[in-house]
Amino acid sequence: DTGVSQDPRHKITKRGQNVTFRCDPISEHNRLYWYRQTLGQGPEFLTYFQNEAQLEKSRLLSDRFSAERPKGSFSTLEIQRTEQGDSAMYLCASSPSGRETQYFGPGTRLLVL
Amino acid sequence: AQSVTQPDIHITVSEGASLELRCNYSYGATPYLFWYVQSPGQGLQLLLKYFSGDTLVQGIKGFEAEFKRSQSSFNLRKPSVHWSDAAEYFCAVGVKNTDKLIFGTGTRLQVFP
Repeated sequence: DTGVSQDPRHKITKRGQNVTFRCDPISEHNRLYWYRQTLGQGPEFLTYFQNEAQLEKSRLLSDRFSAERPKGSFSTLEIQRTEQGDSAMYLCASSPSGRETQYFGPGTRLLVL
Repeated sequence: AQSVTQPDIHITVSEGASLELRCNYSYGATPYLFWYVQSPGQGLQLLLKYFSGDTLVQGIKGFEAEFKRSQSSFNLRKPSVHWSDAAEYFCAVGVKNTDKLIFGTGTRLQVFP
């Protein structure tokens, strides 16, 4: 049984470029969450999906950010026109349903130069 | 608003010593509470969780935590620390309906031989 996987693990980009991250949840997990973690801080909630429906977005998720989960399987998080302040670890988690443990992936570390 | 406070940013203990990591939460109803551990370059691993019932919960790796409603606390304990326990520890509260997690800022544990 594989856990949550994320790709890429590391991404270095120049300011103004677009980046896309992928998350593959544990098979048959209905819920998928995205979090962002900056240095010295705990993870902060960005958004979550119940199957393919995006049900909540944090105010942290500006209009430069978009997330999708087509067909309720993998999810992508795209950041357009990256800024240095977007540098962080982006974590994905999945759970079977509500009130269940969230299992985290290893994260994608983004550095914007 | 919901929040989690971890008062200790950094704790250092000797191997074999006992450990207690503090966590206080602010939440309007009965909370779901979690402790996660994060090793360098790794994702978050669940140590234990409290949803309801017995207020003393046992987790993996010999950890336990006690939910005290009167003190709004969920402190993590271990009777004898091993060098491999050195990591960052995060307390989190789960928000009902969405089950998104609100994390504290973490406590970095250093273990001396």
